[in-house]
Order: sequence, then C-alpha cells, then structure tokens
Amino acid sequence: DTEVTQTPKHLVMGMTNKKSLKCEQHMGHRAMYWYKQKAKKPPELMFVYSYEKLSINESVPSRFSPECPNSSLLNLHLHALQPEDSALYLCASSQGHTPARVWGGYTFGSGTRLTVV
Amino acid sequence: DQQVKQNSPSLSVQEGRISILNCDYTNSMFDYFLWYKKYPAEGPTFLISISSIKDKNEDGRFTVFLNKSAKHLSLHIVPSQPGDSAVYFCAASWWGGSEKLVFGKGTKLTVNP
Repeated sequence: DTEVTQTPKHLVMGMTNKKSLKCEQHMGHRAMYWYKQKAKKPPELMFVYSYEKLSINESVPSRFSPECPNSSLLNLHLHALQPEDSALYLCASSQGHTPARVWGGYTFGSGTRLTVV
Repeated sequence: DQQVKQNSPSLSVQEGRISILNCDYTNSMFDYFLWYKKYPAEGPTFLISISSIKDKNEDGRFTVFLNKSAKHLSLHIVPSQPGDSAVYFCAASWWGGSEKLVFGKGTKLTVNP
C-alpha cells in the first residue's frame, strides 16, 4: 500500500459546525503533515507530527486542531471556521524525521476540498 | 516574502519537444530541492529531487539542473508527452529546517499533441 487516503474528498460546512478531516497511511511512515492550499497558491504547511508527537505548528489558529491517534492516522478537527478557510487541505506522510532527504520526499493524499459557508 | 519562486504560471509545449520549467530561490540555507507534479483533483506526486552537492540529477525523461550561484534550478522534460500536462511545483528544504518543505506557486504545463 503506497497511498495516503483522505476523507472526505469534499466537505461543505457552516461557520458554527464542527467537522473532522481524516488521513490514513499504511506505509510505516513516521511523519505526517497537514498542508493548506488555496487557489493559485503553493501548499502551505500547517502542522507536522513526528513519531505521533506534534513537532511543528505554523501558528495555525486554534479553530484548527490536529490529532494523531496512532502512527497511521492523522485527523484535523475543525470548529467555527471562517469562509476564508475554504481551501484544499492536503495530508502527507514521509519516512522519518528529515523527509526531504529521504528519497521520495512526501507522499501526498488527494486532499479534502473544504468550503465554509 | 516568497522564498521559492516559479515566475511562469503557465507553459505550453508541443509534444516531442523539450519542456523547461524554472524555479528560483532566495534562501541560501536551502540545500535540497524537489519537484512535484499535480493533476487536477489529486495530491502532488514526487517527481525528482536534487541535493546541493550536485548540479544535475537525471531520471528517465526528467532532469533537474541546479545552479547554486544563481540560486536557480530547472526541470527539463524530454521528450514532452501529453500525459505530462499538469501543474509542477518546485519545493526546497534545508538541514535544520526539520520536516518543512517550502513550495513555489507552481507552473501549469500543457503539452499539445
């Protein structure tokens, strides 16, 4: 299995809703990431989990709450989002602590297209 | 302030010809560079990478060139095929930057039959 699976593929939510994005990989990767990508912009790092511990939080607002229940799963809990949070949310994984130096870099999922209304 | 720049939002090439995608960076700490390809409705897919100790890396039809003095890298695709039509992202990292990759805005390549 060489995939990162993200669910749901599309999500529409109101500003008062609570929802969660899910990400799963079974490649034995020990680092997992959340990226946010808006139209015509590069992917922007939000969070990094390394060996199931949060290692990087790029000053993301608290309405986004990551969770790593185990080495294969990564969640992003959403609450009280704003319309400007509408974007493609990408999950990625990599083998270890310095993934950029590991052949293959990241493996990305297909993303969740989030629309906040 | 964008540290990785892809100044051409789009590029159109005839099938069989060479595609050259360019990327510039400003942070001299970057020492490892990657190219990703992205089709619509899919996540980015790793294509090829290069370490700063090299100036060229080749994998089949894809070659990445690195010019450290100019802080410039390029991806050459030869020959280009219609299936190569996608958005190509340049990304960079640095030792001590942990797991973080910095991406450029991407270049949309269209290969015409």
